[in-house]
Amino acid sequence: AQSVTQPDIHITVSEGASLELRCNYSYGATPYLFWYVQSPGQGLQLLLKYFSGDTLVQGIKGFEAEFKRSQSSFNLRKPSVHWSDAAEYFCAVGARGGSNYKLTFGKGTLLTVNP
Amino acid sequence: EPEVTQTPSHQVTQMGQEVILRCVPISNHLYFYWYRQILGQKVEFLVSFYNNEISEKSEIFDDQFSVERPDGSNFTLKIRSTKLEDSAMYFCASSSLKNTEAFFGQGTRLTVV
Repeated sequence: AQSVTQPDIHITVSEGASLELRCNYSYGATPYLFWYVQSPGQGLQLLLKYFSGDTLVQGIKGFEAEFKRSQSSFNLRKPSVHWSDAAEYFCAVGARGGSNYKLTFGKGTLLTVNP
Repeated sequence: EPEVTQTPSHQVTQMGQEVILRCVPISNHLYFYWYRQILGQKVEFLVSFYNNEISEKSEIFDDQFSVERPDGSNFTLKIRSTKLEDSAMYFCASSSLKNTEAFFGQGTRLTVV
């Protein structure tokens, strides 16, 4: 069964600073990988996804993530954080193939942005 | 931009009562899902649905839960006899193909008192 680990429960950065949120996954084959963002009281918005091809993927709001098979990681990065990026970020892995499709989420990383 | 819509946004119910959470998936999507997020915890898969039947369900999705697509547009989650521990945010999602990204609704916050 697949699993996702987000080792950082809470991260605080200053506005304008760079950001990296860590995500490690466990899955027997090459997975589908996602980052979602959830603002307070809101739903889940897809930031970016990796299905195949280029291991560096670009997303919305200036985010990018890099799939590293050797490290089973899919870390999310942003070069300069804005105050509006404060939210909770979830990494998720989806199973390829099979008769169904479901996402397994990590526990999330809460991002606080200081002015 | 097409989106998944869920109603109501917040529902309060008494323990033991039945609740129905409603979702309107994106119109050309074929795969439907329910997830839940207990406060402070991670988002958990409940069930996937395709071609008018359940494709997969988690251990959380016991006999108290059921899903239905009653009219070709709505996708509902019913909890027959709610328990306090059913209090959570419930997310509906849909995808167009089997292995493509899922689009999530805004969620329904269910509070069981």
